[in-house]
Amino acid sequence: KAGVTQTPRYLIKTRGQQVTLSCSPISGHRSVSWYQQTPGQGLQFLFEYFSETQRNKGNFPGRFSGRQFSNSRSEMNVSTLELGDSALYLCASSLGGGGNTEAFFGQGTRLTVV
Amino acid sequence: SQQGEEDPQALSIQEGENATMNCSYKTSINNLQWYRQNSGRGLVHLILIRSNEREKHSGRLRVTLDTSKKSSSLLITASRAADTASYFCARDSGNTGKLIFGQGTTLQVKP
Repeated sequence: KAGVTQTPRYLIKTRGQQVTLSCSPISGHRSVSWYQQTPGQGLQFLFEYFSETQRNKGNFPGRFSGRQFSNSRSEMNVSTLELGDSALYLCASSLGGGGNTEAFFGQGTRLTVV
Repeated sequence: SQQGEEDPQALSIQEGENATMNCSYKTSINNLQWYRQNSGRGLVHLILIRSNEREKHSGRLRVTLDTSKKSSSLLITASRAADTASYFCARDSGNTGKLIFGQGTTLQVKP
C-alpha cells in the first residue's frame, strides 16, 4: 500500500510569509501527527488530528495551526514565518494514534526561511 | 525540550560488529518505540515494546526494556554499512498521538 506522502518536499520562504504543508496518510489511517525536527531541539511534537478533530497539541505558538479533512489528509499552516521556523516537518499516520501503535512517517518537508 | 536521553550521541563501528544504543526516560510509559532515520529523511519504525515486555527481537535487532531503571537498549548485531543512520527512541506520552523522542544516536558503520 502507498506510504505517507508529504508535499512539497522542499520549500523556501521569506520571513513574514505564511506556508501550508500537506500530508496524505496511509489509506485507512485516521490519526495524523505533525513533528518539527531541528538540529538544536530535535523532534518536537506539534499536534495530532483524529477524524478531523485536534486531539493533542504541543508547545508551539499559535502561528502553527493545522487541520484534517474528511479523507484524513492533513495540512499544517505556519503564519508570519520566522528564521527559527526553518526545519524538517514530518507527519506520521497511524491507525489509532502514534502513542500506542506504530507510526508511519512521511519523507518530510524541508522548510527554509530566509 | 525532549524528555529522554540516548547514549552514545555518536557511534562509529566496523561492518560486522555489534552496535548498542541506550535510551533513558523519566516518567512511566505504556510502551517505547525505536525508529531509524537516514540522513534527514523520514523515520522508519523498527520495534515497539510494551511496558510488560522485557525483550523483543526483529531480525538483527534486539530491544530490551527495564522499567525499573526507566531505560531501554537497542542492539544491532552483525552491522552493515546500510545500517548507517540515526536511531531514536520514542515513548508514548500518555496523551493520544504524541510521541516523545530522545535526542538520537548517530551510527556510522564503516565498510
